Amino acid sequence: SQQGEEDPQALSIQEGENATMNCSYKTSINNLQWYRQNSGRGLVHLILIRSNEREKHSGRLRVTLDTSKKSSSLLITASRAADTASYFCATARGTNAGKSTFGDGTTLTVKP
Amino acid sequence: DAGITQSPRHKVTETGTPVTLRCHQTENHRYMYWYRQDPGHGLRLIHYSYGVKDTDKGEVSDGYSVSRSKTEDFLLTLESATSSQTSVYFCAISELAGETQYFGPGTRLLVL
Repeated sequence: SQQGEEDPQALSIQEGENATMNCSYKTSINNLQWYRQNSGRGLVHLILIRSNEREKHSGRLRVTLDTSKKSSSLLITASRAADTASYFCATARGTNAGKSTFGDGTTLTVKP
Repeated sequence: DAGITQSPRHKVTETGTPVTLRCHQTENHRYMYWYRQDPGHGLRLIHYSYGVKDTDKGEVSDGYSVSRSKTEDFLLTLESATSSQTSVYFCAISELAGETQYFGPGTRLLVL
C-alpha cells in the first residue's frame, strides 16, 4: 500500500492564487520529498525536508512537516499557468531508505 | 538535467514475449531505480540497485527482473510480457539512499 497519500486529488485555481496540497503518511520517515510532473514527462525534484525540520522554503514553494500528525503540506504562492502539473510526495524510511514510496499525486490546474 | 537516458522510449510488444528496457546514467550515482506509473497513479517501485550487481525488490517486482553489471547501466526485463504490464516505466538515480532522485524521460510500453 502507498505510504504517502496526497490530498486533494485535484485542485483548480486562478493564476495569482495560492495552492496548497497535503501529504499524509503512515510510518516514521527519514525525509519527505515533493516532486512535480508535467504531462508526459518524468518527475522533477522540488524540495526535500528532513524529519527534524518543520519548514522549508524554495522560491515560491513552502513545505511544512508535522511528524506528530504524519503529514506535510506544499504551498505554492502566486501560482502561474506554468505551475499546472501533478505533484507527488515521496517518503524514505529507516533501514529501507532506498525504497522511497510515492503517493498518487495532486493534479493542479492553474487557469490564466 | 541529470544525465539519464532510457531506451527505447516507446515499445509495442505482444503478450508472452520478453522485453528489456535500458537505463543509462552519466552521473556516477550509486542508486538506480525502476518504477512504473499507471494512469492516475503515482509511481510504484519495481526494483532498485544500490551498487553494481546489488539489487533489491520493490513493491511490484513479480514478473520483472533487473541487472546491473556496470555503474551506469540498469536493465529491466519483463520475462514474459502481459497486458497488465502496459505502463510507463521510469528510471531514476540518486547519490544517496532515500535522497533526491533524478528521473529519466520514461518508456511507454504497450503489451498487446
